[in-house]
Amino acid sequence: KQEVTQIPAALSVPEGENLVLNCSFTDSAIYNLQWFRQDPGKGLTSLLLIQSSQREQTSGRLNASLDKSSGRSTLYIAASQPGDSATYLCAVVTGANNLFFGTGTRLTVIP
Amino acid sequence: EAGVTQFPSHSVIEKGQTVTLRCDPISGHDNLYWYRRVMGKEIKFLLHFVKESKQDESGMPNNRFLAERTGGTYSTLKVQPAELEDSGVYFCASSQDMVNNEQFFGPGTRLTVL
Repeated sequence: KQEVTQIPAALSVPEGENLVLNCSFTDSAIYNLQWFRQDPGKGLTSLLLIQSSQREQTSGRLNASLDKSSGRSTLYIAASQPGDSATYLCAVVTGANNLFFGTGTRLTVIP
Repeated sequence: EAGVTQFPSHSVIEKGQTVTLRCDPISGHDNLYWYRRVMGKEIKFLLHFVKESKQDESGMPNNRFLAERTGGTYSTLKVQPAELEDSGVYFCASSQDMVNNEQFFGPGTRLTVL
């Protein structure tokens, strides 16, 4: 059974700092991996989708990497801003075509 | 382009009552998914429609939950009768195809069963 773990559960950083969020999954037979952000009381916003054949994806200040064989992904956020404060969720898609989610990392960027 | 919408945003009902949640996917998306997050837990899959057909309903907790997608457009998720443990946030997502499968989520419906 697929299990997704995100470390740390919470993170506070000063504005401007670069940071890395970690995601690990137990079953490497995934189709793709998706990173989301969730603001309090809101839905999930898709940030990046990495197909299983890809190693990384970039969007603006965000860069996500995928090491499928070791069951790991990282989300790198450059030059963090207070507006980046949110919960970041990692989810993987298996053959069943549904998402398995981690419990998320709650990020606070301090001005 | 309109995103995934869900109605209502909040629902408070008493144990034993019935509640129906609605999801309107992004236009043209054949795949529609329901997920749920209960307090303190991760978001978990409930079921997946491809057009009007249930592709996978392995995550549905029990037979008190009934999902439909008439005509392959919007979907409803009915809970009857509701129990205390059904409280949580119910998310709907849609995707254009199964190969790429980037899923776009709605804002969720927060259900509280008293």
